[in-house]
Amino acid sequence: EVQLVESGGGLVKPGGSLRLSCAVSGFTFSNAWMSWARQAPGKGLEWVGRIKSKSDGGTIDYAAPVKGRFTISRDDSKNMLYLQMNSLKTEDTAVYYCTTVKVGAACFDSWGQGTLVTVSS
Amino acid sequence: QTVVTQEPSFSVSPGGTVTLTCGLSSGSVSTSYYPSWYQQTPGQAPRTLIYSTTTRSSGVPDRFSGSILGNKAALTITGAQADDESDYYCVLFMGSGSYVFGTGTKVTV
Repeated sequence: EVQLVESGGGLVKPGGSLRLSCAVSGFTFSNAWMSWARQAPGKGLEWVGRIKSKSDGGTIDYAAPVKGRFTISRDDSKNMLYLQMNSLKTEDTAVYYCTTVKVGAACFDSWGQGTLVTVSS
Repeated sequence: QTVVTQEPSFSVSPGGTVTLTCGLSSGSVSTSYYPSWYQQTPGQAPRTLIYSTTTRSSGVPDRFSGSILGNKAALTITGAQADDESDYYCVLFMGSGSYVFGTGTKVTV
């Protein structure tokens, strides 16, 4: 069974940093493309970024609102996905979801339960 | 900035049929955008319903179907049930590694 478990959310001040983690199990993580999405309170879903598997080049792409501030990385030896968030803004307040990406179908296949990040002074 | 538009809300009677659409602020949606659809109930993570325009995800009932209607992607619920009452989001793949979520549709049964 595919499991994605996010952690690391919390309260942070504007301009601060936070690192989210996503622990995965139930599939071969090293072959997987992974993504982060977010949802501000009472709002719709927003794509944050995607990382390909190393065997597919490891390319990382980001949505415009987070490019240059957020960094996605992976540790295939630990089955872990990360989202390093720097220079946080109040508008980054959201539930952050880790997802798998179905290769060749551009689809967010499996989702974690999410972790809440609140950016406030 | 690409905007992917969906109807804000729809109401459907139990047993009825409803079609949600997913369009582009400029241009037409085709299979090249790999449209996918997600269902989300309050407080829960999204669930994948449809990918690559028409393919149902594992375990998704066949009352959910995807298509291209005119210049938009579409999700049709045939024989709506009470537990279909949810928010529905589409996603389009914009190329160059970029994905955009639609604005979402709230369906009331």
